[in-house]
Amino acid sequence: AQSVTQPDIHITVSEGASLELRCNYSYGATPYLFWYVQSPGQGLQLLLKYFSGDTLVQGIKGFEAEFKRSQSSFNLRKPSVHWSDAAEYFCAVGLPLNAGNMLTFGGGTRLMVKP
Amino acid sequence: NAGVMQNPRHLVRRRGQEARLRCSPMKGHSHVYWYRQLPEEGLKFMVYLQKENIIDESGMPKERFSAEFPKEGPSILRIQQVVRGDSAAYFCASSPPTPAADTQYFGPGTRLTVL
Repeated sequence: AQSVTQPDIHITVSEGASLELRCNYSYGATPYLFWYVQSPGQGLQLLLKYFSGDTLVQGIKGFEAEFKRSQSSFNLRKPSVHWSDAAEYFCAVGLPLNAGNMLTFGGGTRLMVKP
Repeated sequence: NAGVMQNPRHLVRRRGQEARLRCSPMKGHSHVYWYRQLPEEGLKFMVYLQKENIIDESGMPKERFSAEFPKEGPSILRIQQVVRGDSAAYFCASSPPTPAADTQYFGPGTRLTVL
């Protein structure tokens, strides 16, 4: 079974600083990879996804993520964090439709932004 | 284009009562998924449905939980005889028909509190 690990439960960065959130997965093949953001009391919003092709993926709100097959990682980055980025971030692994299609989520990383 | 709709947003039940959670997928989407998020945890897959069919219910508890997605109307997640441990946020996601079915879009969630 696939699994997803987000090693950092909490991260605090200063506004304007760069950000990297880590995500490692375990799966026999290359799965589909996603990052979602959840603001307090809200649902999940899709930031970006990787299915195949270029390993550097651009998303919304200035986020990007890089798929590294050799490290089984899909880390999320942003060059300059804004106070509105404070939220919880979830990395997720998906299987192709013919293999079940469910998403497996990491435990999440809560981002706090200092003024 | 309305997103995934869930209602109610908040639901309070006493132990032993029934909870019914509704999910209307995005327009044109024919796949529905239910996930549960326990406090301070990531989301866990429960069930995957298409119209009138349960495709994968491997994440559903064996007892008291059921889900349906009828030909007409929303998908329903039903929890009978609720217990305190059922208190959680329940999220519905939907995805379009194949071949684009691999990206799931989430609703705002229903927060169930069992007293």
